[in-house]
Amino acid sequence: EVQLVESGGGLVQPGRSLKLSCAASGFTFSNYGMAWVRQTPTKGLEWVASISTGGGNTYYRDSVKGRFTISRDNAKNTQYLQMDSLRSEDTATYYCARWSNNYGVNGGYFDYWGQGVMVTVSS
Amino acid sequence: DTVLTQSPALAVSPGERVTISCRASESVSTLMHWYQQKPGQQPKLLIYKASNLASGVPARFSGSGSGTDFTFTIDPVEADDIATYYCHQSWNSPNTFGAGTKLELK
Repeated sequence: EVQLVESGGGLVQPGRSLKLSCAASGFTFSNYGMAWVRQTPTKGLEWVASISTGGGNTYYRDSVKGRFTISRDNAKNTQYLQMDSLRSEDTATYYCARWSNNYGVNGGYFDYWGQGVMVTVSS
Repeated sequence: DTVLTQSPALAVSPGERVTISCRASESVSTLMHWYQQKPGQQPKLLIYKASNLASGVPARFSGSGSGTDFTFTIDPVEADDIATYYCHQSWNSPNTFGAGTKLELK
């Protein structure tokens, strides 16, 4: 059974950092691209970042470029999202999601999702 | 970014057929996917690439369309299908999602 378990969320002040983790099990982690998707009541679901199977290719939405870093450790079956210079508009539930193919950010779909972790950016 | 416009909330009775629409602001070929999200849960993939049923998903769910106009159908609706349904395109960058269609019981 595919399982994705996020951790690391919480309350953080604007301008500070937070690192999310996603532990994967039930499949060969190194064979799949991975992603982070966030959700808010006002903006809905938003793709945030994606990473290729080996970690050599990463992709970001414009609003997080230069502030967020996606990475993965295939030996630990875990992906990460380092979030720096956080803003109030980053407040959301962040989901770890498996990408259906092993390349790029187009052409596939999110076939499994974690339960989500809440990130609140507020002073 | 590609904007996906979904039909508003729909009220249905068990046993009925319901169709949810999703219109894209530009062509997405057949790279449209559908997810179900129940309150407090994560999204779940139901249909991928416009018309393909995801693993383990009942055949009551179906999808069709190409280009800019897509439909998602549940026939017949069951009480457990009460949820919000989202379309998602992965043809254009960045991937984008619709705002969701909330299915409610009459």
